[in-house]
Amino acid sequence: AQTVTQSQPEMSVQEAETVTLSCTYDTSESDYYLFWYKQPPSRQMILVIRQEAYKQQNATENRFSVNFQKAAKSFSLKISDSQLGDAAMYFCAYRSARTSYDKVIFGPGTSLSVIP
Amino acid sequence: GAVVSQHPSWVICKSGTSVKIECRSLDFQATTMFWYRQFPKQSLMLMATSNEGSKATYEQGVEKDKFLINHASLTLSTLTVTSAHPEDSSFYICSAPPRAPQYFGPGTRLLVL
Repeated sequence: AQTVTQSQPEMSVQEAETVTLSCTYDTSESDYYLFWYKQPPSRQMILVIRQEAYKQQNATENRFSVNFQKAAKSFSLKISDSQLGDAAMYFCAYRSARTSYDKVIFGPGTSLSVIP
Repeated sequence: GAVVSQHPSWVICKSGTSVKIECRSLDFQATTMFWYRQFPKQSLMLMATSNEGSKATYEQGVEKDKFLINHASLTLSTLTVTSAHPEDSSFYICSAPPRAPQYFGPGTRLLVL
């Protein structure tokens, strides 16, 4: 079974600085998707960034980028120029690419605080 | 973009009563929907997979007789918490996977008194 681990329960970053959230996963599959979701106090899950396992190039979305190391099964999220609105729970997630209907497996989450 | 809605967003009920939560895909058809439960300061835990026209698939440890799931149409899945107890108080989220990534509903806060 696939598992997702986030070893940092809490992180903090100074506004305008850069922070990296860690994620590792375990799978025997070769084709899958990885995601970072943000959950603000409203608790609405918001997709931050996605990575297809077959792509070697790391995904980027504005201030958000990932470091995807497939062999190491590592998928970290870097937030640059941190803003107060980035404060939230961040979940790393895995989904098999076998079908369009596979479930998403979430890590335990990292609570990010942004210090003004 | 694709939107998933949930109703109600908040519900308070007395212990022993049943509560129904609806999940709708607004601009796409979803033959499969997922139901998650999230306790405070914890991650999302998958409860069950809702399949249109067939029985739901429950994760290990989830009581199927307590959490009834009906996927009546290609845009609607319902979760009924039967004989709710205070320990069922939680945040329930549905999602639909038309393709990666999944789209999540805004969630339903359930408080059982």
